[in-house]
Amino acid sequence: EADIYQTPRYLVIGTGKKITLECSQTMGHDKMYWYQQDPGMELHLIHYSYGVNSTEKGDLSSESTVSRIRTEHFPLTLESARPSHTSQYLCASSEWGKGVNEQFFGPGTRLTVL
Amino acid sequence: RKEVEQDPGPFNVPEGATVAFNCTYSNSASQSFFWYRQDCRKEPKLLMSVYSSGNEDGRFTAQLNRASQYISLLIRDSKLSDSATYLCVTSRGGGSQGNLIFGKGTKLSVKP
Repeated sequence: EADIYQTPRYLVIGTGKKITLECSQTMGHDKMYWYQQDPGMELHLIHYSYGVNSTEKGDLSSESTVSRIRTEHFPLTLESARPSHTSQYLCASSEWGKGVNEQFFGPGTRLTVL
Repeated sequence: RKEVEQDPGPFNVPEGATVAFNCTYSNSASQSFFWYRQDCRKEPKLLMSVYSSGNEDGRFTAQLNRASQYISLLIRDSKLSDSATYLCVTSRGGGSQGNLIFGKGTKLSVKP
């Protein structure tokens, strides 16, 4: 089993609230990712990081922001949640610098914005 | 055109059947290829990498045709536990090397 954790697993929140989705991994991986996945649809990369103090935007534009102050921690923040943000958010990590490596995924956070 | 295209299925097959999934990709700069498995409402997990020479892992065989930009996965002697969505995945080349592009997935349902 991968050692990557996400909290909360489920979140139902009202419009306009600020939320932070937590992701942490204990594998010492440098590279971390956030994906968004709607039911029956493909995963879309929204943010990634090469290591501490590195954050990059992914393929899908997102109003969320991320930070990487510690290697093991990669939280995602939405300043003002909207119903269009309702989705599943998956965090992943991988080694970096040795080609393309397996990405290990956390269990995901299912976000519903009312 | 999507970067990774798969037949969404569902493929409904009896136990013991052989089933094949196909996938095409559009980015000729892709260097790495994978099949991931995603169970219902769970996270994706790596099933196997796909190598140019083709590779096998038990009942699973993956093949890659770079000229046609085509990847396949063959499952022999299907088990009930094989029921899941199978995601075709390629790497993004160039400066974003290491990032992955996921297909929408092909849903497999194995029936008794």
